[in-house]
Amino acid sequence: DAGVIQSPRHEVTEMGQEVTLRCKPISGHDYLFWYRQTMMRGLELLIYFNNNVPIDDSGMPEDRFSAKMPNASFSTLKIQPSEPRDSAVYFCASSSGRPVNYGYTFGSGTRLTVV
Amino acid sequence: GDSVTQMEGPVTLSEEAFLTINCTYTATGYPSLFWYVQYPGEGLQLLLKATKADDKGSNKGFEATYRKETTSFHLEKGSVQVSDSAVYFCALSAGAGGTSYGKLTFGQGTILTVHP
Repeated sequence: DAGVIQSPRHEVTEMGQEVTLRCKPISGHDYLFWYRQTMMRGLELLIYFNNNVPIDDSGMPEDRFSAKMPNASFSTLKIQPSEPRDSAVYFCASSSGRPVNYGYTFGSGTRLTVV
Repeated sequence: GDSVTQMEGPVTLSEEAFLTINCTYTATGYPSLFWYVQYPGEGLQLLLKATKADDKGSNKGFEATYRKETTSFHLEKGSVQVSDSAVYFCALSAGAGGTSYGKLTFGQGTILTVHP
């Protein structure tokens, strides 16, 4: 089992540019979560999907952020246009069934720096 | 809504010392409780869990007991090692009706540093 795979591991971009983060969940997992981690705000849930359908996107900070899950094995988080305050580590996680029973498996994260 | 509160960090210990990291929660119904660990530069890893009151989760020498009467899930280890240095997160996932239904709600994390 390859685990949850995120790419890229590191991304440095200029303010105003579009950034796309990618995630491949564990095969067979039906829940997928996107989190953002910063020193100031800790771990924030941005959005999560169940069977490829967005269930709760109330954590998405603003319209500049969008997430898609076109199939069970791939999801993207896009920021357009990016701003320096978007600099953070972005984690993707997946689970089989509701996390109340099993918790999540996290990817290694994408460290985004917007200059 | 559902929430998790962890003890203020950072925590600094000498090797072989006893560790306690406090965690209390507020949730609707009967949540499941988790501890996650994050090593530098890595994602979070599930350390242990408990799904009902009085359950004890354990792994790698760490333990935590689900105390419904005190709404707590404190993490303990009898003898820490330098390799235990990491950030520890307490989390909950509630059943139907809770704001954390279908997802995990995390505490703010506690940084642990163990010196030789």
